[in-house]
Amino acid sequence: DTAVSQTPKYLVTQMGNDKSIKCEQNLGHDTMYWYKQDSKKFLKIMFSYNNKELIINETVPNRFSPKSPDKAHLNLHINSLELGDSAVYFCASSQPSRDPVKQFFGPGTRLTVL
Amino acid sequence: DAKTTQPPSMDCAEGRAANLPCNHSTISGNEYVYWYRQIHSQGPQYIIHGLKNNETNEMASLIITEDRKSSTLILPHATLRDTAVYYCIVRGHFGNEKLTFGTGTRLTIIP
Repeated sequence: DTAVSQTPKYLVTQMGNDKSIKCEQNLGHDTMYWYKQDSKKFLKIMFSYNNKELIINETVPNRFSPKSPDKAHLNLHINSLELGDSAVYFCASSQPSRDPVKQFFGPGTRLTVL
Repeated sequence: DAKTTQPPSMDCAEGRAANLPCNHSTISGNEYVYWYRQIHSQGPQYIIHGLKNNETNEMASLIITEDRKSSTLILPHATLRDTAVYYCIVRGHFGNEKLTFGTGTRLTIIP
C-alpha cells in the first residue's frame, strides 16, 4: 500500500502555464509538507499544513499556492510557471503528536518548465 | 537548529559495515540527531534518531559520542541497495516541524 502518493510523476510544460501537483497520504497523519529539490540536489521546505491550516511558509513566491481540502490531501498549484521552477517536488507527511521529525515522503514529481 | 558537517562522499564494500560520520559541535541539550537517506530518484527515507543513548533498529545503528558533538550511523552489512545520499539532521524534537537538509554524504556500495 502506498503511504504518500503524488501525481503526476513527471510534468513538462511551457513557461507561463498554470499547473497543479496532487498529494495524498493514507497514514492518518495530521501534518503534510511540500519540499523542493533543485538541480543541485538541495532539498528545501516550502510549506507545511497541520489539519488543513498553514503553519510553515518558507518565503515561497505567491505564484505557489498550496490547497488542503482535507487532512489527507495537500495539493500544490503553481501559476505563471518560470524556468527556475524546474525541480523535483516532494510531498511528505508526519504525525507531530507522535514524532514530528519522522516524516514520510512521496516519490516526487519532476517538473520541467520549457 | 544546529549545523552539521558530513563528508561529501564515501565508498564501502558490499557486505562490510558502512560507518557514516556527522559532526554537530553546536548541538544543544534538547536537540536530537536524525538520519535520513535518499536513494536515487526516490523521496527521502527516515532511518533512525537519538538524543544521547546509542540506538539500533532494523535498518541501522546510531552511535552518539558522550559529549554529543558527533555521531556515526552504522549500516552493519551494506548492500548495493544502500547506495544513497545520507543526511544527518540535528533539531529539536518539538516546535517548528520543518526538516533542514544539508548536502549529506553520498555513499556508494562497491560490489
